[in-house]
Amino acid sequence: DAGVTQSPTHLIKTRGQHVTLRCSPISGHKSVSWYQQVLGQGPQFIFQYYEKEERGRGNFPDRFSARQFPNYSSELNVNALLLGDSALYLCASTTLLAGTQYFGPGTRLTVL
Amino acid sequence: AQKITQTQPGMFVQEKEAVTLDCTYDTSDQSYGLFWYKQPSSGEMIFLIYQGSYDEQNATEGRYSLNFQKARKSANLVISASQLGDSAMYFCAMREGRGSQGNLIFGKGTKLSVKP
Repeated sequence: DAGVTQSPTHLIKTRGQHVTLRCSPISGHKSVSWYQQVLGQGPQFIFQYYEKEERGRGNFPDRFSARQFPNYSSELNVNALLLGDSALYLCASTTLLAGTQYFGPGTRLTVL
Repeated sequence: AQKITQTQPGMFVQEKEAVTLDCTYDTSDQSYGLFWYKQPSSGEMIFLIYQGSYDEQNATEGRYSLNFQKARKSANLVISASQLGDSAMYFCAMREGRGSQGNLIFGKGTKLSVKP
């Protein structure tokens, strides 16, 4: 079975721009979570969606938003990009809300 | 607030030897889960092993075992017979509760280098 997939792999944006990151979960997984990992740190939780509803939100500004589609894929949107948004964005999926999370390869975002 | 502490920024181990990576956690929940993930330089987080707070036996998965000491709030990862491919960042993580959400809280990680 295919694992979690994310697109794009790499992305370069300038300050003030908007970005959309995409994630497809493992087949059969209904929950998707998003994490931000800045260099030298562990991942930080941004959002969790289950059955298309937001079930958790981390300590991130309103510039960050997400949604989950009927096929359980998900998008993470970031508006008004700042230099500090440069990071690896990881998506994880799980069958149950509190099950083991399996991660995708991530999207490396660079904001110039 | 929940917290994960990994006190070893970097570790070296000789190929074929065993190594222990430390992890302590802080939570007031009675129900929680502890995870270890491996992150190679490519960036993908690879799930290694899971321990539930009510599990009485230490979890094992192949060469990986989790030394769970609940009273000390520690969940150390033991890798036996290290291989060159084990060189990577290792993250300890905790999931809070079994209730309405399942987000993970991560430590800062330990960089493991396996020497030939």
